[in-house]
Amino acid sequence: EAGVAQSPRYKIIEKRQSVAFWCNPISGHATLYWYQQILGQGPKLLIQFQNNGVVDDSQLPKDRFSAERLKGVDSTLKIQPAKLEDSAVYLCASSFGLAGTYEQYFGPGTRLTVT
Amino acid sequence: DAKTTQPPSMDCAEGRAANLPCNHSTISGNEYVYWYRQIHSQGPQYIIHGLKNNETNEMASLIITEDRKSSTLILPHATLRDTAVYYCIVSTSGTYKYIFGTGTRLKVLA
Repeated sequence: EAGVAQSPRYKIIEKRQSVAFWCNPISGHATLYWYQQILGQGPKLLIQFQNNGVVDDSQLPKDRFSAERLKGVDSTLKIQPAKLEDSAVYLCASSFGLAGTYEQYFGPGTRLTVT
Repeated sequence: DAKTTQPPSMDCAEGRAANLPCNHSTISGNEYVYWYRQIHSQGPQYIIHGLKNNETNEMASLIITEDRKSSTLILPHATLRDTAVYYCIVSTSGTYKYIFGTGTRLKVLA
């Protein structure tokens, strides 16, 4: 079974530029998550989708971050404009159902460096 | 804030059992305890989860106290490849989201 795919694996941009990350979840998984992991910390949930609807985006900085999951399959996360503090690993995860009863499977992440 | 408390680091000799504790004193009756680990430069990997009974799979065992306020993840025969950060998470009922703490950095020593 193929795992969660993410691209790119690494990205370096200057502040105020924009960037987009792509995620393809495990086939059949209805729930998709984007996390931000700053060095030395645990992952922090940014947004959670159930099919193509948003379940939770309470920690997404909506002035600069946006995410979509068209057709309920793959997803993109965008940052525009980027700030220095956005330097982090962005992880995508998917699960068969909601987190409370199903385990999440994580992709390898995209390491973003903002200079 | 995370609903769990874990020691920041632990060492374990290769071949010995690694016992990783976690406190979750405010856990609710319908909340699960999940364990994940993150090996350097990889995404977190699911290990095991449980509600109130002890659980075992090919990777580990999970022991949950009767009052459910704490749990222990047991890696029965630790290898160097088990060196990682281990996260204990309580799934938040209603919102179903994970709140990760800073985990326990386990170092398996040769």
